[in-house]
Formats: sequence, structure tokens, C-alpha cells
Amino acid sequence: AQSVTQPDIHITVSEGASLELRCNYSYGATPYLFWYVQSPGQGLQLLLKYFSGDTLVQGIKGFEAEFKRSQSSFNLRKPSVHWSDAAEYFCAVTDNAGNMLTFGGGTRLMVKP
Amino acid sequence: EAGVVQSPRYKIIEKKQPVAFWCNPISGHNTLYWYRQNLGQGPELLIRYENEEAVDDSQLPKDRFSAERLKGVDSTLKIQPAELGDSAVYLCASKTGYEQFFGPGTRLTVL
Repeated sequence: AQSVTQPDIHITVSEGASLELRCNYSYGATPYLFWYVQSPGQGLQLLLKYFSGDTLVQGIKGFEAEFKRSQSSFNLRKPSVHWSDAAEYFCAVTDNAGNMLTFGGGTRLMVKP
Repeated sequence: EAGVVQSPRYKIIEKKQPVAFWCNPISGHNTLYWYRQNLGQGPELLIRYENEEAVDDSQLPKDRFSAERLKGVDSTLKIQPAELGDSAVYLCASKTGYEQFFGPGTRLTVL
């Protein structure tokens, strides 16, 4: 069965600082990986996805993520955080048919001025 | 293009009352999902539809939850009777390819 672990429940960074959110997955085959962001009272918005090819993927809002098969990781990064990035971030993996999306528990990001 | 539409956005009910949530997926998306998201957790699948057929409802608590997707477009999720533990956000999503697109959710509070 597939699973996703986000080790950090809460992270606080200063505005302008760099950010890295960790994600580890478990899946028997080549994973299809996603990062979603959820602002308070909102649905989930897709930040970026990895299906195959280049292991460094670029997303919206200046985010990027790197797929590392050897570490079963798909960490999300941003070089300079803005106050508007404060939200909850979810890593997810889907099966090869794209039918079953499994989410991690989420990481809540707070941004200090 | 309009996104996934859900209503109501918020619902407060007393326990043992019934409640229903409505979802309109993105036009042309044949696959529709209902998820439940408890506070501080990631969404968990309740049911998946392919057109009007429920193809995965293994996580749906069938004693009190029901869902339908008439004509393979809009969908309704119902809880009857609601319990305190049903307080959560109920998310609807529709899929094209490998991507799921989520609605804003319905926040249910059971008192």
C-alpha cells in the first residue's frame, strides 16, 4: 500500500528566508508525486507534480521540488518565502492509474515578519 | 473554465440530524471523488465515481453515509444521522489524466 510521511507538522520561517518541506513516500513502483497548498478555508491548489523525467520540477509561486528515488523523498523548496506563503502544505502520491491519491499529514507553514 | 463547485461552504447541525453536500465537477471530468479532511490531517478518500458508477467506496461508512452521482455529473454526499465525530471538511475533486482538482470544501460542524 502506498503512504506518505511529512515529518514536520509545523515549520516557522522568517520572511525572505529559504524553505524546505520534507516528504517521504512509500510506493512499490515509479511514483507519481504532488505537492498541494491549502490556505485557511480554501480547497487544495496544486503547486507542482512529478511524473517522470527531470527530477527537479518547477511549480507555481516560485516553488520547486526534487525527486530522489534513493531516498524515497520529494522535498519542496522555495529560495525566499513571502508572508503570503503561510498555509498548509500536503505531499501526495498516486498509483500508476492515477486513481488513488494518498496524502501526507501536512506541514503547517508560518512566516514571521 | 470554472473549477469544482461545492455547496454549502459551511454547515452547522445538531447530532442525529441529516445533512447533504453537493458537488459539481469540472465539465468533462468523468472521475469524481469525495474526501473527508479532519482538522490537522490530510484528506482521506470516501468514495470514487467513474461516471455514475461508484468504483471505490470501501472507505465510506455505509451505515450512515450515502452518495450518488446521477447522470454522471453532479454528486451528492449525505450523512444520516450525523454524529459528533463527523465534524470535518468534506472535499470534492474531479480528475483529468493524473491530476485531481479540488473544490473549496464544505466545513461541517456537528453540535
